[in-house]
Amino acid sequence: GQNIDQPTEMTATEGAIVQINCTYQTSGFNGLFWYQQHAGEAPTFLSYNVLDGLEEKGRFSSFLSRSKGYSYLLLKELQMKDSASYLCAVMDSNYQLIWGAGTKLIIKP
Amino acid sequence: EAQVTQNPRYLITVTGKKLTVTCSQNMNHEYMSWYRQDPGLGLRQIYYSMNVEVTDKGDVPEGYKVSRKEKRNFPLILESPSPNQTSLYFCASSEMVGAGNTEAFFGQGTRLTVV
Repeated sequence: GQNIDQPTEMTATEGAIVQINCTYQTSGFNGLFWYQQHAGEAPTFLSYNVLDGLEEKGRFSSFLSRSKGYSYLLLKELQMKDSASYLCAVMDSNYQLIWGAGTKLIIKP
Repeated sequence: EAQVTQNPRYLITVTGKKLTVTCSQNMNHEYMSWYRQDPGLGLRQIYYSMNVEVTDKGDVPEGYKVSRKEKRNFPLILESPSPNQTSLYFCASSEMVGAGNTEAFFGQGTRLTVV
């Protein structure tokens, strides 16, 4: 079966750095997405990786290793507004998105 | 403004009473889908549509119907709702899949309670 694993919850301190990991086993691979979802709101797009390596976008970076079935989202200079759930999703060989359950990130002052 | 609009935002209904959740996008996207989100389970796809008059089942289609008569609209129909369909529902749209970075745009969500 297809599976996306990410930690259920993480806690970090304002101003610090946090890394949220995602491992996947899917039927084929056509890219990996990270989305941010604040409580009760819609998910919003953060990043897309299809080749191995690091993609940087401001305070957020996303890394992909296709051979290891592994990605991480790195958030720097954490702000209170970064408190949210972070969803990892993989597009499989049929171009369908397979979603992880999400990682709830709690930021403490 | 590019957006996906779904209505209603909140709905409480009784078992067996047919309901429709509407979804409309203004980005001329070909691909639209419906998800339900339950605690600890993440987003699960109910139905998707790759174009007008083309719809397919997702992972959890039982108890739901959809239609795609126009490109912009993709309503979700619950013919006979049951309590296990109590959930948070999201409609999403994107450019045609297979085109690389096909970012999905989500509606605001519909929180449905079936009693």
